Amino acid sequence: EAGVTQSPTHLIKTRGQQATLRCSPISGHTSVYWYQQALGLGLQFLLWYDEGEERNRGNFPPRFSGRQFPNYSSELNVNALELEDSALYLCASSLYRTKVAETQYFGPGTRLLVL
Amino acid sequence: GIQVEQSPPDLILQEGANSTLRCNFSDSVNNLQWFHQNPWGQLINLFYIPSGTKQNGRLSATTVATERYSLLYISSSQTTDSGVYFCAVEQDFGNEKLTFGTGTRLTIIP
Repeated sequence: EAGVTQSPTHLIKTRGQQATLRCSPISGHTSVYWYQQALGLGLQFLLWYDEGEERNRGNFPPRFSGRQFPNYSSELNVNALELEDSALYLCASSLYRTKVAETQYFGPGTRLLVL
Repeated sequence: GIQVEQSPPDLILQEGANSTLRCNFSDSVNNLQWFHQNPWGQLINLFYIPSGTKQNGRLSATTVATERYSLLYISSSQTTDSGVYFCAVEQDFGNEKLTFGTGTRLTIIP
């Protein structure tokens, strides 16, 4: 069974540009999560999508947005890139059941460098 | 929000040694996971352990939910065990986000 996949593996952009990161969940998983791991800031929750809807959002500006497609894959868009957006972006997927905590499985990540 | 603290921040051991990593959290949780982050950045699932004890080969974990801590044990360390170990917790049903600890960087010396 294939794990969570992410593309691209590396992305180089300049300040002010837009970046689009993609994630495909494990087959059968309906929830997709995005996390940011910036140097010195640890792993921080960005967004949670389930069944095509945004269900929860971390403490990030509106420049960070995304969507989930009918096949449950997801895109993370970062507009008006700033130098501090340079980070490893990790996507995770899980089943989602009300009142039941599920294991999140992570992809290999996309390294975004903003110059 | 919930606070997650890991200790020690750094640990250097010789191959073959045993180690214990600790994760303290400030409130009740319904999910706790341990991860190993490899040198390429990928988070490898080790355990899903909101309570109780689990073992997988040389690794085992124990979570005492009532006392709000979890321990990860690594026995007979190998150089491939090197990396950063994170615990992460989820606090509320319907608020499905993991809050990560600051990690323990483990270095195993041959």
